[in-house]
Amino acid sequence: GENVEQHPSTLSVQEGDSAVIKCTYSDSASNYFPWYKQELGKRPQLIIDIRSNVGEKKDQRIAVTLNKTAKHFSLHITETQPEDSAVYFCAASIESNYQLIWGAGTKLIIKP
Amino acid sequence: ETGVTQSPTHLIKTRGQQVTLRCSSQSGHNTVSWYQQALGQGPQFIFQYYREEENGRGNFPPRFSGLQFPNYSSELNVNALELDDSALYLCASSSQQGITGELFFGEGSRLTVL
Repeated sequence: GENVEQHPSTLSVQEGDSAVIKCTYSDSASNYFPWYKQELGKRPQLIIDIRSNVGEKKDQRIAVTLNKTAKHFSLHITETQPEDSAVYFCAASIESNYQLIWGAGTKLIIKP
Repeated sequence: ETGVTQSPTHLIKTRGQQVTLRCSSQSGHNTVSWYQQALGQGPQFIFQYYREEENGRGNFPPRFSGLQFPNYSSELNVNALELDDSALYLCASSSQQGITGELFFGEGSRLTVL
């Protein structure tokens, strides 16, 4: 079955700098890759997703890149702000399937 | 538009007991998925319900069971509770069967098993 690995587990960056979180997946049939943000004590919320027919997607300060050959995808956050502090989860799925397989999460800390 | 709501928010049970967690899906959504999130981990898929039928199941034993009602709300039942069942249980609703877009999560029910 699918396995998703996420790195790093904790990432500390200076406010205004960029942050990059990386995930790898094992099942080459996976074709849907969302990223969720979970603030402390809150529900996970989708911030961006990408499908396998696209190599990159951007939404303001957030971008996701996908390398199908290497089976990895990354989240890029530019010009980080204090409100970006949270745990970020990557996930992978076969789009016709019913379950997301999640990474273990990255705690992003924005230093003032 | 009403979001996903879960109850109770916190509960404490002892080993061997049974628990029922409830979820009201977002207005217009007919699919509900349940996830278990242990402390410091990503959510683990338990099962999904679509139009009152179990649509798929993760690697959880049969003592984890569920229901979906005609109004698309859902219950998660766990029998014979074990210490390892202590976790945050998240319900997520979506508008379509399978994974085709955003899951809308509730705030979760935090279960502690003593």
